[in-house]
Amino acid sequence: EIVLTQSPGTLSLSPGESATLSCRASQNIGSTSLAWYQQKPGQAPRLLIYGANRATGIPDRFSGGGSGADFTLTISSLEPEDFAVYYCQHHDRSPTFTFGQGTKLEIK
Amino acid sequence: QAQLVQSGAEVKKPGSSVKVSCKASGGTFGSFSVTWVRQVPGEGLEWMGGIIPISGTADYAQTFQGRVTMTADQATSTAYMEVSSLRSDDTAVYFCARKFQNWLDLWGQGTLVTVSS
Repeated sequence: EIVLTQSPGTLSLSPGESATLSCRASQNIGSTSLAWYQQKPGQAPRLLIYGANRATGIPDRFSGGGSGADFTLTISSLEPEDFAVYYCQHHDRSPTFTFGQGTKLEIK
Repeated sequence: QAQLVQSGAEVKKPGSSVKVSCKASGGTFGSFSVTWVRQVPGEGLEWMGGIIPISGTADYAQTFQGRVTMTADQATSTAYMEVSSLRSDDTAVYFCARKFQNWLDLWGQGTLVTVSS
């Protein structure tokens, strides 16, 4: 069973700064089966990045990278609306979806 | 524009059951599968299982096997998720989401289920 570990648990930054969030898998999962979601309080998660692609309507300041077991979500020039919790997620041929425990991006 | 609209909040007694619905409006499920995700207050996302409405085939996370039943009604484009033998630690927000390839690209608004005596 694949385990996803996100770091840091909390990231404190100011608007305008860049954020790099990490997601490490317990084994090699390739480069196309990892996604990132953003969740704001009281809302459902929203798909941001899947594989190497941005989901529909996602600004280009969001980008995903990595392969194998190490992945990153980068947000360049943070906007006030970007402060939220971010989750990585893996799914492949098995029915199981695995989520990381989340990184909270908060305003410094 | 496609949306998933879930049923409203529920308050249940321990030992009872709850059935949450998820209706696809502005479209149908088509050949997509519907996934259910649980979020205990203040915690992360937990995959519960999923169903392919067109075939009725469902897969469940081991944690929920035997206590959760997922069904779907193609005629009304509605998926259902029932949890039985509710406990206080089942208090959570339950989300349905559309599975697109390896991702969940469309989410319902969530349904809060509170289990309390």
